[in-house]
Amino acid sequence: DTGVSQNPRHKITKRGQNVTFRCDPISEHNRLYWYRQTLGQGPEFLTYFQNEAQLEKSRLLSDRFSAERPKGSFSTLEIQRTEQGDSAMYLCASSHRAHGYTFGSGTRLTVV
Amino acid sequence: TQLLEQSPQFLSIQEGENLTVYCNSSSVFSSLQWYRQEPGEGPVLLVTVVTGGEVKKLKRLTFQFGDARKDSSLHITAAQPGDTGLYLCAGEYNFNKFYFGSGTKLNVKP
Repeated sequence: DTGVSQNPRHKITKRGQNVTFRCDPISEHNRLYWYRQTLGQGPEFLTYFQNEAQLEKSRLLSDRFSAERPKGSFSTLEIQRTEQGDSAMYLCASSHRAHGYTFGSGTRLTVV
Repeated sequence: TQLLEQSPQFLSIQEGENLTVYCNSSSVFSSLQWYRQEPGEGPVLLVTVVTGGEVKKLKRLTFQFGDARKDSSLHITAAQPGDTGLYLCAGEYNFNKFYFGSGTKLNVKP
């Protein structure tokens, strides 16, 4: 197992376009988390899944954001009608229960 | 609003010096973690502390969890340029997710 994998590493998109990011967690981890990190800040919680169930969503996750984890394996995070304020690093992490996250390298989104 | 306050925000020191960074909250954590993050990469877990008063050592790094489980510190002895990075603390509140502080950006000059 090579850890948590995120794709793409970088994404530049025009305002108003839709984007989708993918996260492949460590296979035996049942929990998967999405965080967003802007420059100079720590990661901010967006949402998490236990297996395929999305158990919690932050108020930061507007209706333009949707996350899925079909079959409890990989997860996707989609942002519709992107705005410049969506520019950030989107981090995925997985864990077995809540005992220490393993983070991916993130997807850097730039909305121009 | 950050639930966890980290201080200092920035720290620039010479190689060989010692340093301490702090993580504070008004809330009680069920556990707390420290991470180190390099530019363009995700955070990497350094340690998890669970018990109030707990002290853990990782080579030149010493982590302490406050008795009341509301604060924590990270002490680095004889810092090296390879220690440069963003140090993040993360507190677990509801046994299901962690909230992060803003981090301490450490620069160790050779």
